[in-house]
Amino acid sequence: DQQVKQNSPSLSVQEGRISILNCDYTNSMFDYFLWYKKYPAEGPTFLISISSIKDKNEDGRFTVFLNKSAKHLSLHIVPSQPGDSAVYFCAASYLSEKLVFGKGTKLTVNP
Amino acid sequence: DADVTQTPRNRITKTGKRIMLECSQTKGHDRMYWYRQDPGLGLRLIYYSFDVKDINKGEISDGYSVSRQAQAKFSLSLESAIPNQTALYFCATSDRLVGLAGAYTGELFFGEGSRLTVL
Repeated sequence: DQQVKQNSPSLSVQEGRISILNCDYTNSMFDYFLWYKKYPAEGPTFLISISSIKDKNEDGRFTVFLNKSAKHLSLHIVPSQPGDSAVYFCAASYLSEKLVFGKGTKLTVNP
Repeated sequence: DADVTQTPRNRITKTGKRIMLECSQTKGHDRMYWYRQDPGLGLRLIYYSFDVKDINKGEISDGYSVSRQAQAKFSLSLESAIPNQTALYFCATSDRLVGLAGAYTGELFFGEGSRLTVL
């Protein structure tokens, strides 16, 4: 049973616009959430994270929002750039245990 | 040099062969992981180790074994490879997940991946 779900396999946006990537989870015990970015032929790299005690975390163009009641988090990228084109993985952990990853969303930012 | 190094980067083998994928890290992290990536299935955890004497199964450990030879080395073995083990394999490391002052430090640092093809 998948505990972390990314229901959109792909997303395409225009350069300069907002990209919104979504993630849902089923385990209410998760206390930390992360987003990873992966380019082809490279390993995933950490992008941004949020603790369950917060509802928003910003880092430059990247903002993660957490809605605990809905068990939903989202990653906003504003403005989107062609270099942001990659696969984005949502991940969650509980009590500092191992991370559980979603299946990923492939973002394409068109010039 | 990469902080997390995987060898080999690419390997083609035949059904029934034994394969070992090796991972070494220079980050000084205690925790090491092996993940598998398949198209449309994301990253799935095979095995993980929180220190040299600790080995734990992940969600898809059947058909795999691991060895933690040292803090810096964690190898993954396929004793008798089969075609559905064709995938991209990633090693990752992390520090203890909560550092000083309770700050979360558990981001995973991934290697560049090992692409395995089993014919």
